[in-house]
Amino acid sequence: DAKTTQPNSMESNEEEPVHLPCNHSTISGTDYIHWYRQLPSQGPEYVIHGLTSNVNNRMASLAIAEDRKSSTLILHRATLRDAAVYYCILRFSGGYQKVTFGTGTKLQVIP
Amino acid sequence: NAGVTQTPKFQVLKTGQSMTLQCAQDMNHNSMYWYRQDPGMGLRLIYYSASEGTTDKGEVPNGYNVSRLNKREFSLRLESAAPSQTSVYFCASSGNRGRAEAFFGQGTRLTVV
Repeated sequence: DAKTTQPNSMESNEEEPVHLPCNHSTISGTDYIHWYRQLPSQGPEYVIHGLTSNVNNRMASLAIAEDRKSSTLILHRATLRDAAVYYCILRFSGGYQKVTFGTGTKLQVIP
Repeated sequence: NAGVTQTPKFQVLKTGQSMTLQCAQDMNHNSMYWYRQDPGMGLRLIYYSASEGTTDKGEVPNGYNVSRLNKREFSLRLESAAPSQTSVYFCASSGNRGRAEAFFGQGTRLTVV
């Protein structure tokens, strides 16, 4: 399985943008990049995914490097509710694949 | 739309007791997963199932068994619980393709004393 590497923790001030990085240097051309987040005492929830192009949705933006070896999840205005652990994972676009998680980035939002 | 439902939400077991964690999804997903999450740690995959009737080991399968009863249900059994199995257990489901989003249950908090 292709692996991802994320910083253990990051801090952000409330209402400022947050850029959460993820390295995936062994990504294959058929892997999708997914981001999930886990709020305290809850199960993970989907945030966004992409293949090659940058993606936007109501929760966040995903910027994918041209060589696809790294990506960045962008929260445009951090709120206290965004304090969570953020996981970057890869999913094979072909058939079935088990989904494994790394340790993620714990985001602290400072009021 | 219930999504992924896990039961029970909390459980305390004595060492050596057995129990089954239940998981059901109503999204017609082929793939289902069981994870455990120890305090301050990430999720580790215990077992997964690509479709009804098939199961495969994940990263930490020892001490667990699973059953994919039908497309909706995927259960996790602890035959002889040990304190090292104290954890929060999450069930998830998804479509099989790479762009498919995974949906998680709210978790079962298990304590083995």
